[in-house]
Amino acid sequence: DGGITQSPKYLFRKEGQNVTLSCEQNLNHDAMYWYRQDPGQGLRLIYYSQIVNDFQKGDIAEGYSVSREKKESFPLTVTSAQKNPTAFYLCASSMVSGANVLTFGAGSRLTVL
Amino acid sequence: QKEVEQDPGPLSVPEGAIVSLNCTYSNSAFQYFMWYRQYSRKGPELLMYTYSSGNKEDGRFTAQVDKSSKYISLFIRDSQPSDSATYLCAMSAHSGGGADGLTFGKGTHLIIQP
Repeated sequence: DGGITQSPKYLFRKEGQNVTLSCEQNLNHDAMYWYRQDPGQGLRLIYYSQIVNDFQKGDIAEGYSVSREKKESFPLTVTSAQKNPTAFYLCASSMVSGANVLTFGAGSRLTVL
Repeated sequence: QKEVEQDPGPLSVPEGAIVSLNCTYSNSAFQYFMWYRQYSRKGPELLMYTYSSGNKEDGRFTAQVDKSSKYISLFIRDSQPSDSATYLCAMSAHSGGGADGLTFGKGTHLIIQP
């Protein structure tokens, strides 16, 4: 079945550590996205990429970094510069033409201890 | 004024009731409208997609768009406990990829009481 796989599902990190969240899709979608979801704040866009080796900052990119070396993969690194990293992180993908509909992964819950 | 307003709830209704979930928006350029359902600790999944004004029905779900009032609704008939989830509206002025043009509501938490 086609879909988006995020790993790990749960992750604990000590303050000052970088952590990388994995996102892989087999939908042959060109565009991929990372969102952060906090209670009461909805979905906020961190980074997005419409093509390999190119990506753009979203609304809350500070303290995060991404890479897009392969069409299928869009990992997100939460750096120590992110002041409040505890959150639920969602990866999504879509076509770049046609309906602007996102397919989401199951999410990764990051907790900073 | 936020671009998309959505009551966070929780909205609690008895099983079998008709549920009405709503979003209002301010950007008159929006013409693509979506509803996503998100179960606890899961990713959102697309429920309904509509273009411009009018109604769209899919089983127990009906999406309604009133562009003149800048108001969209999702109706759920014969609600079931399995419908308990957070419902997010989303809208865009254009089709195609580019999440910078896609605006989400904050979601309404729906509880269907058995």
